[in-house]
Formats: sequence, C-alpha cells, structure tokens
Amino acid sequence: RKEVEQDPGPFNVPEGATVAFNCTYSNSASQSFFWYRQDCRKEPKLLMSVYSSGNEDGRFTAQLNRASQYISLLIRDSKLSDSATYLCAVNAPDLRFGAGTRLTVKP
Amino acid sequence: GAVVSQHPSWVICKSGTSVKIECRSLDFQATTMFWYRQFPKQSLMLMATSNEGSKATYEQGVEKDKFLINHASLTLSTLTVTSAHPEDSSFYICSARRTGTSGSYLYNEQFFGPGTRLTVL
Repeated sequence: RKEVEQDPGPFNVPEGATVAFNCTYSNSASQSFFWYRQDCRKEPKLLMSVYSSGNEDGRFTAQLNRASQYISLLIRDSKLSDSATYLCAVNAPDLRFGAGTRLTVKP
Repeated sequence: GAVVSQHPSWVICKSGTSVKIECRSLDFQATTMFWYRQFPKQSLMLMATSNEGSKATYEQGVEKDKFLINHASLTLSTLTVTSAHPEDSSFYICSARRTGTSGSYLYNEQFFGPGTRLTVL
C-alpha cells in the first residue's frame, strides 16, 4: 500500500464551483499534514497545513480525520487561477507526497 | 516562508557526463535536506535524505553510486548525477527542513527549491 494515496483526478470544473480532494495515509504515527499546490514545471508551494480541528484560509478548508487516516481539501468559489495540481503530504516522519490531483477551472 | 535556492535551474548534457546540482538554504540552517525527482505527469518521488556531516539515506531503488549526495555544510547539499543517461532526464527538486519551537508548538517544515530540469541527450 502506498504511504499516501490521493484521488487521481483530473477534476474539470466551472468557475465558481466547489471542489473537494481527498487523501489517505498509511502511517498512523504521522503527525503533520499538508496540502501543496504545484503549477506546471514549478516546485510545490505550501498551500496550507492541516490541523486536527480543521482549518480554513479564505476559500480553502482543510480537514483531518485521524481515525480514518484521511485528509481533505475543499475549495469554494473556484477561480481560474486555482488551476494546478494539488498534492497532499504527510510527515511519516519525512514528507511523503500523494500522486497529486490535477484541477482545471474553466470559464 | 524560508528561501531555498537551487542551481542550475536547467541543464542539457550529453549521455555519459556527470551533472552537479546545488541546493542552498539561504536564510536558515538545515541539517536535513531532501532530494526528489519528478517525471512528467507523475508525483514527486523522494530519492534520498541528505544529512549534514553524515552519509545520505537513499530510498529503495535509488542507486547511491549513481546519485552522489554531499551535505558538507548546514546550508548546502549537492546531488551529482554520474554518467547521466536519457532515462535520467527529469525534474530534480530539493527541499530543506526547518525545525524549531514557537511557544509550545514544535514545527517541522520543508521548503522547496525551484527545481532543476535535467535533459540528457
């Protein structure tokens, strides 16, 4: 089983849509969880950390379910500029990435 | 966030040559750095963990004699792809770990360099 598994996508959504990405991890001892955004031919950039109680940053909401070893990212009111690949990452203990989910937001 | 630089940003070389890529943490010290590789439309794959002052730890399937890693200082790690072949063409990305405490919160963050695109002809 892969250490971090992610929805393969791709997701093609219209502007203004709400989209959710899911990710599961295998190491129950993992302590830190993140969502990264990667644009084409660029390095990943940290989008947000994921905290136990769930956290929100503007249109982005991240949630963690330790019992199910599952994290999610919700993007509301999606913009064209949200088009990218979204990677979940888990410290286990070093950062391991999911395969990424490609999002395309269309006008 | 902290700044990590990588050099060169792209390189084209002939098959059989060796290529060195540098990764620097510019505004913090990093005892641990990581090297990843990403093929087109695939995820980042961890190749090795680079530890300052000691040998790197390689992931399964990564040849340590082909991908030489040196982490001689707290701000610099290098990856040398020896005798590169076309199948080594990829996007190589380093990251540097920053740890510390903020009040009672223990943080453990990784910051990525901008990547090096290697093309072997």
